[in-house]
Amino acid sequence: DVKVTQSSRYLVKRTGEKVFLECVQDMDHENMFWYRQDPGLGLRLIYFSYDVKMKEKGDIPEGYSVSREKKERFSLILESASTNQTSMYLCASSPGQGNTDTQYFGPGTRLTVL
Amino acid sequence: AQSVAQPEDQVNVAEGNPLTVKCTYSVSGNPYLFWYVQYPNRGLQFLLKYITGDNLVKGSYGFEAEFNKSQTSFHLKKPSALVSDSALYFCAVWRSNDYKLSFGAGTTVTVRA
Repeated sequence: DVKVTQSSRYLVKRTGEKVFLECVQDMDHENMFWYRQDPGLGLRLIYFSYDVKMKEKGDIPEGYSVSREKKERFSLILESASTNQTSMYLCASSPGQGNTDTQYFGPGTRLTVL
Repeated sequence: AQSVAQPEDQVNVAEGNPLTVKCTYSVSGNPYLFWYVQYPNRGLQFLLKYITGDNLVKGSYGFEAEFNKSQTSFHLKKPSALVSDSALYFCAVWRSNDYKLSFGAGTTVTVRA
């Protein structure tokens, strides 16, 4: 089974702090994704990566950056956390075989910014 | 814009009754459609997808979905709902213009015993 793990289930940070969310997948997948989930808005794509050191903006990249130094690890960085970034963050990976790929999700990190 | 819509925020059914969760799509070209489920305090799990071929797609946990091109719909169905099916369900479509997955807002399903 594909396993996608996220470093924290719950995280509380203060406004202005730099926040790192880590994601690791163990299936040698090419693609990795970061989404945020908000009630009534579904999932919105923040960034994705289709290869090591490669990244592309999703639909809502403002206020975020990412890092992918190794194939299995994809980090989401909030440079200066703000209260409107309080959300559930979901990481996903997919094999990279094309646009019919199934994405496999981690359990999520619920981030609260005070 | 290429997207999906889930017209119902909530669906309530009694255990043993049929369950339907609605999804309509708007894409150019052939649609690639997905259903995911999120159980409480868990990440999303893949249920099924439509790529091409048979309009009735069978998936995990006894779910199936019917692709209807004329109505641009991809409704999720289960003939006999279980209390354990209570969860948040998301429909998604692959956007051919920028190669990203677009999710609906989600439908909360509650199955009462």
